[in-house]
Amino acid sequence: GAGVSQSPRYKVAKRGQDVALRCDPISGHVSLFWYQQALGQGPEFLTYFQNEAQLDKSGLPSDRFFAERPEGSVSTLKIQRTQQEDSAVYLCASSRKGGVFVTEAFFGQGTRLTVV
Amino acid sequence: QKEVEQNSGPLSVPEGAIASLNCTYSDRGSQSFFWYRQYSGKSPELIMSIYSNGDKEDGRFTAQLNKASQYVSLLIRDSQPSDSATYLCAVIGNYGGSQGNLIFGKGTKLSVKP
Repeated sequence: GAGVSQSPRYKVAKRGQDVALRCDPISGHVSLFWYQQALGQGPEFLTYFQNEAQLDKSGLPSDRFFAERPEGSVSTLKIQRTQQEDSAVYLCASSRKGGVFVTEAFFGQGTRLTVV
Repeated sequence: QKEVEQNSGPLSVPEGAIASLNCTYSDRGSQSFFWYRQYSGKSPELIMSIYSNGDKEDGRFTAQLNKASQYVSLLIRDSQPSDSATYLCAVIGNYGGSQGNLIFGKGTKLSVKP
């Protein structure tokens, strides 16, 4: 596709429910980043992939958060047993290159998760 | 010290003035630097990238990089009300122990008054 696509755009989950957020990066982009953005804050890094390899997951806030990119294209961020503090906008970005050669990264529209 | 630091603002400038936004970063080995603009309720939009020391101009925007001081800035000339947004500084570096990590500051909120 022409841009980064995220789905769903909005998700309301009951506390304790599992959710899966999808990111479809720009075709051919090597790097894929996930961020969590709370209202009025900058994007907080969660994890990133270079192709199918998850190079850094240090930003994942707990073991309830899990991300994968099995074929080096589409990525899924899964949150188990959602809590109210997980309510945020989850942003995905992709970049054409990887490692120290990462160039401009482009964002999807985000998924707004509300846990009730 | 936070990895990427910005003054949260709000920064208020009159229409037509120059807005100056600043950012410092902690990883001396950082190679790539970006400025994003984010309107309320929208995703970040890339407006400038800079990789070498000095200035880079694109229309009304000028990015400035000083790697020795670990400082990057964005100047917006002839500011317009439509420039009112949050400006995010982002840096590629060795953060969290992994090269190629793209880390953001918390953003500076800019308000341009007509």
